Amino acid sequence: AQSVAQPEDQVNVAEGNPLTVKCTYSVSGNPYLFWYVQYPNRGLQFLLKYITGDNLVKGSYGFEAEFNKSQTSFHLKKPSALVSDSALYFCAVRAPNSGGYQKVTFGTGTKLQVIP
Amino acid sequence: ETGVTQSPTHLIKTRGQQVTLRCSSQSGHNTVSWYQQALGQGPQFIFQYYREEENGRGNFPPRFSGLQFPNYSSELNVNALELDDSALYLCASSSGRDPTDTQYFGPGTRLTVL
Repeated sequence: AQSVAQPEDQVNVAEGNPLTVKCTYSVSGNPYLFWYVQYPNRGLQFLLKYITGDNLVKGSYGFEAEFNKSQTSFHLKKPSALVSDSALYFCAVRAPNSGGYQKVTFGTGTKLQVIP
Repeated sequence: ETGVTQSPTHLIKTRGQQVTLRCSSQSGHNTVSWYQQALGQGPQFIFQYYREEENGRGNFPPRFSGLQFPNYSSELNVNALELDDSALYLCASSSGRDPTDTQYFGPGTRLTVL
C-alpha cells in the first residue's frame, strides 16, 4: 500500500523568508511524486512532479521540491514567500506499477500562512 | 485550451436521494478520475475512466458509479445518499493513464447531504 505523510498541519512564515512544506512517502518501487496547491473553495492546481532524474524539481510560481530517496521525502520549497502563497498544499504519490490506472494517494494537506 | 469544468458548483440533497455530478475533461484528455475530499482531508480516489471504461477503483461502495462518454466527459452517480457523502467532489483529467501523466483538476462540486 502507498501512503503520504505531511507532518505539519500548518506552517507559518514571514513574507520574504524561505518556506519549506514537508512530505514523506511510502510506496513499493520508485515513486512518482506530486505537489498540488488548493485555494479556498477551489480545485487543486498542479505545481510540480518528480518522475526520475535530477532530485531537484522546479515548478510553477517559483516553487521547487527536493526528492530524497534515502529519507523517502519530497519537501516543497520556495526561496522567498509571498502573501499570495497562502493556501493548502497537498503532496501526492503514485506507484509505478499502478495496475494500469492512476490511483493517486494524497496527504492530508498543510496549510501555509505567509505573514505580511 | 479549455480546462476541466464541473457542474453544478453546489448541490444540496437529503439522505436516501440520488445525485449526478458532471465533468468535462480538458481538451485532448481521454482519462478522467474522480475524488472525494471531505472537510479537512486530502482527496480520496473513487475511480478512473479510460476511453469509456472503468479501469480502477478505490475503496468506495457500489452505490458510487460513473460513466464516461465518447467525448470523454464523465458523470459520477451516487445512490442512496448518506450524511457522510457530504464532501467536495473533484474530477481530474489527464492525457493518458500512465502513472507519470499529470492530472488536472476541476474546481469541484460541493455536495451537502441533509
